[in-house]
Amino acid sequence: GAVVSQHPSWVICKSGTSVKIECRSLDFQATTMFWYRQFPKQSLMLMATSNEGSKATYEQGVEKDKFLINHASLTLSTLTVTSAHPEDSSFYICSASSRGHTGYEQYFGPGTRLTVT
Amino acid sequence: AQKITQTQPGMFVQEKEAVTLDCTYDTSDPSYGLFWYKQPSSGEMIFLIYQGSYDQQNATEGRYSLNFQKARKSANLVISASQLGDSAMYFCAMREARNFNKFYFGSGTKLNVKP
Repeated sequence: GAVVSQHPSWVICKSGTSVKIECRSLDFQATTMFWYRQFPKQSLMLMATSNEGSKATYEQGVEKDKFLINHASLTLSTLTVTSAHPEDSSFYICSASSRGHTGYEQYFGPGTRLTVT
Repeated sequence: AQKITQTQPGMFVQEKEAVTLDCTYDTSDPSYGLFWYKQPSSGEMIFLIYQGSYDQQNATEGRYSLNFQKARKSANLVISASQLGDSAMYFCAMREARNFNKFYFGSGTKLNVKP
């Protein structure tokens, strides 16, 4: 149980275009989903926390207008990178929170590798 | 201050030997949870083991055990009988009760298992 999927797993786009990444909890409902960004050989950096039906809470330094997050249902959150630039190239990972035996656990998606040319 | 510190950017271990990956944490919340995740080159985050701040015993999950020393605020991961498939990045993470939805991650340790 507790499977999170992400689509696409990798994407290449041209500078100036927008890219949408989907995150789905497949077998549970997640009231809260998280978006992380990871540069090569670095740790996960939390970008934002999204709750179903409300606006996302962005971490300091993350541009809200550039990284649009929509959490339309209890099983789907989307991250749209608008007007992408090469410096947005990164590995984006989502996670969904659900109650588990350790309390609220985070279940991670497999990640999306974005390359902006 | 850093919430989670992993001081070993890279480690080597011989196959079949045990290895310890260090993790120290900083919190004033008396209730917290500590996690270890494995991230292979494919990128997925794999949950390995969990230790609650009030747990009396060290957590174990198969070949993984967590050496929890509360007074020293350390939560080291011990992998016994290393296998080639253990080569990956390992992240220590913490969640505090006062903000149970937020995970703090360490910088990670790259483990290489040599045949």
